[in-house]
Amino acid sequence: RKEVEQDPGPFNVPEGATVAFNCTYSNSASQSFFWYRQDCRKEPKLLMSVYSSGNEDGRFTAQLNRASQYISLLIRDSKLSDSATYLCVVFQGSQGNLIFGKGTKLSVKP
Amino acid sequence: DTEVTQTPKHLVMGMTNKKSLKCEQHMGHRAMYWYKQKAKKPPELMFVYSYEKLSINESVPSRFSPECPNSSLLNLHLHALQPEDSALYLCASRGQEKFNIQYFGAGTRLSVL
Repeated sequence: RKEVEQDPGPFNVPEGATVAFNCTYSNSASQSFFWYRQDCRKEPKLLMSVYSSGNEDGRFTAQLNRASQYISLLIRDSKLSDSATYLCVVFQGSQGNLIFGKGTKLSVKP
Repeated sequence: DTEVTQTPKHLVMGMTNKKSLKCEQHMGHRAMYWYKQKAKKPPELMFVYSYEKLSINESVPSRFSPECPNSSLLNLHLHALQPEDSALYLCASRGQEKFNIQYFGAGTRLSVL
């Protein structure tokens, strides 16, 4: 089982749609959880940290279920500018490094 | 300021060349990372430095040699690379606060001819 698994995508959605990405992780000792966004030929940029209580930032909502080892990202009212690859990322303190999912590509069409 | 600066942005080198990639941050972060990213793949960890000491080397070939001269700088020395080493090389740093967030530089896009 891969350490961090994401929906394979790609997701092609119209502007204004709501889209949800899911992610599972295998190491129950994982400490911190993130969604990063990466535009084509650019570096990954932090979109949101993910907390057990769930957290929201504008149109973006992230949820964490530690019991199920499951992370989600919901994007409401999609914009063209949301088109990117979304990386589910887990921090494992034992080695102090991030474990990346393979990413899910989102294309928002007019 | 959450800036990690990498130079150069682009690099083309032959297989016999020696070159260096540089990374700098002034956030006081004591953990710094090198990643390699190929097209349509997630970043792959290469090296981790913690308090200027190499703590993780992910079985990277010796033609890649990292160096951490001080707490703000991280270098990656390149020698006798292969065409398959062409990729985006990303530097990142992490502080102790903010839930272990890593901040990435814009990367160096390397082409080996």
